[in-house]
Amino acid sequence: SQELEQSPQSLIVQEGKNLTINCTSSKTLYGLYWYKQKYGEGLIFLMMLQKGGEEKSHEKITAKLDEKKQQSSLHITASQPSHAGIYLCGAPTGAGSYQLTFGKGTKLSVIP
Amino acid sequence: NAGVMQNPRHLVRRRGQEARLRCSPMKGHSHVYWYRQLPEEGLKFMVYLQKENIIDESGMPKERFSAEFPKEGPSILRIQQVVRGDSAAYFCASSPLGHRDRDTEAFFGQGTRLTVV
Repeated sequence: SQELEQSPQSLIVQEGKNLTINCTSSKTLYGLYWYKQKYGEGLIFLMMLQKGGEEKSHEKITAKLDEKKQQSSLHITASQPSHAGIYLCGAPTGAGSYQLTFGKGTKLSVIP
Repeated sequence: NAGVMQNPRHLVRRRGQEARLRCSPMKGHSHVYWYRQLPEEGLKFMVYLQKENIIDESGMPKERFSAEFPKEGPSILRIQQVVRGDSAAYFCASSPLGHRDRDTEAFFGQGTRLTVV
């Protein structure tokens, strides 16, 4: 079965610093979703990447997909306290699959 | 994701009782997915439903768990005779089309946190 490994597991950064979270799949990626979860709350959809080499940005968050490396990265520029939370990557388990496998998440804390 | 409504947000049950979790998908969405998030673990797929049909329940425990998505009303995840190990956050997601169509995304609800005492 497919597994997604996220690194680092947790991250503490000073406000204003840049950071990168990685998500590596044990199998071929057929797309990649990034979500953010605040403690005790639901998942907020951030971005969906479908093709190798694809890169998307929303405000200060940029995500890239490297299909060859079976990897995606999420980069936050000039982090703010509002970026704090748990970032989850999810991937379809197969081509055309509706079922998502998720990583265990990366907990981000931003110190003012 | 504010459009996917789950209730209750928090549910406490004694061992042996039944738990019913409800999920109303976003307007216009006919595909519903249930996931479970155990403490310190990632989200695990449980079941995928369309209106009146269970499409894939491969992630659901064989016993005590059942799910439905009737023609009218919300999707229901039902856990009979709950045990402490059932304590978790249960999330529902909905999409307008199945994930088979690459341009779709699934929106998640706020989740129901089940505590079995």
